[in-house]
Parts: sequence; C-alpha cells; structure tokens
Amino acid sequence: TQLLEQSPQFLSIQEGENLTVYCNSSSVFSSLQWYRQEPGEGPVLLVTVVTGGEVKKLKRLTFQFGDARKDSSLHITAAQPGDTGLYLCAGAHRPSGSARQLTFGSGTQLTVLP
Amino acid sequence: EAQVTQNPRYLITVTGKKLTVTCSQNMNHEYMSWYRQDPGLGLRQIYYSMNVEVTDKGDVPEGYKVSRKEKRNFPLILESPSPNQTSLYFCASSFDRADYGYTFGSGTRLTVV
Repeated sequence: TQLLEQSPQFLSIQEGENLTVYCNSSSVFSSLQWYRQEPGEGPVLLVTVVTGGEVKKLKRLTFQFGDARKDSSLHITAAQPGDTGLYLCAGAHRPSGSARQLTFGSGTQLTVLP
Repeated sequence: EAQVTQNPRYLITVTGKKLTVTCSQNMNHEYMSWYRQDPGLGLRQIYYSMNVEVTDKGDVPEGYKVSRKEKRNFPLILESPSPNQTSLYFCASSFDRADYGYTFGSGTRLTVV
C-alpha cells in the first residue's frame, strides 16, 4: 500500500472543463508539495502547503491542504491543453525511528483535449 | 539560471558495461538524490546525500553506487548494468530532505540490452 494515494490515476477532459485531483494518506504530513511533470522532463515544483486548511492559488490552479494535514487537493478551473502532464503530490513526514523525508505519490496523468 | 544538469539525456548500453550518469547543481544545495521512474511504480528513491561525503540508501539501492566528493556533484554509477535497470532516472537537489521543494534534472533515459 502506497503512503500517498493519488486519484484519479488517469484523467482525460475537454478544454474548458474543471477538474480536481486528490492526494490522500492515513499519515500526517508537516508539509505537502505538488509537482507537474511534462513528457521527457523532470517534475517541476508548483506549490508547497504547510498549514492545515491552507489554500493557495496559482492562476487557475487551487491547492488545498486538509485540516488534519493528511490529504490535499488540486483544482484546475477551465483547463487548457497546456495543463496536460503528470501531477505528483509529495508529503514531508518522519517515519518512526527515521529522519524526516519526502514521499511521492504515484501521480495523476492529466490530458486536456483541445 | 538555477538548475540541475544531468548527462547524458539518453543512453543505450549492454549488460555488464559500467556506466556513470553525472549530476551537477549550481544552487549550493546540501541535499541531493537519485530517483528512477517506471510506469505504474512512480518515483522510487535510489540513493541520497545529505552533504559532502554523506550518502545513504533509498528504497531501491541494489545495483547502484553513488559518491559525493564535492557539494555540487552527485554521480550515479552502475557497475554492472542489467536489463532490469532500464528506466528513466532523475537527479534532484534541495536545501534539505523534506520541507523545501526539490529541483529536478531533465532526466536520463537508460536502456540496457
């Protein structure tokens, strides 16, 4: 079982539609990061959320950290073909007996059709 | 420009022929890490380094070696590559291991035949 579960795994929508991607866990995270990865490139950091309930906006993208800091969501308004990519969430936590580390979810592959 | 540079971008090699993938960052980051990305398995950490001369195993270290002799460089070494090491590899760097965002390189697509 993955520490961070992302859903849906795949999402294909038409340009102009809205969508939400979820990142869930049973663990508490001190912070949570969202990345976007385009084909043939490395992931690029979009945002970091730190406080439970925090909401951050990046143009048409809205990121929310759950009140209990166990989950997060990414909402895209009026999606465009340029939003196509693999969206990854990553949570900072301390496994028992270990140093703090960042764990990545398996990703949501988004395709926005023109 | 702040960046992580990996080389080569593409590499095809034969089983057993030693190879090195280089990684260099210009942001004075202390933390560096190597990941492999495979379909359905996501990003899996191979090795990481908290600082010069300090390296540790990640989740999938078997068959790989690393070194951190200088702060900016963190090469990944495959002493005897095998076909199951065919993958997309990423180097990443950050100010620390957890709370600061990672800067990733553009990736190295390795094929072992």
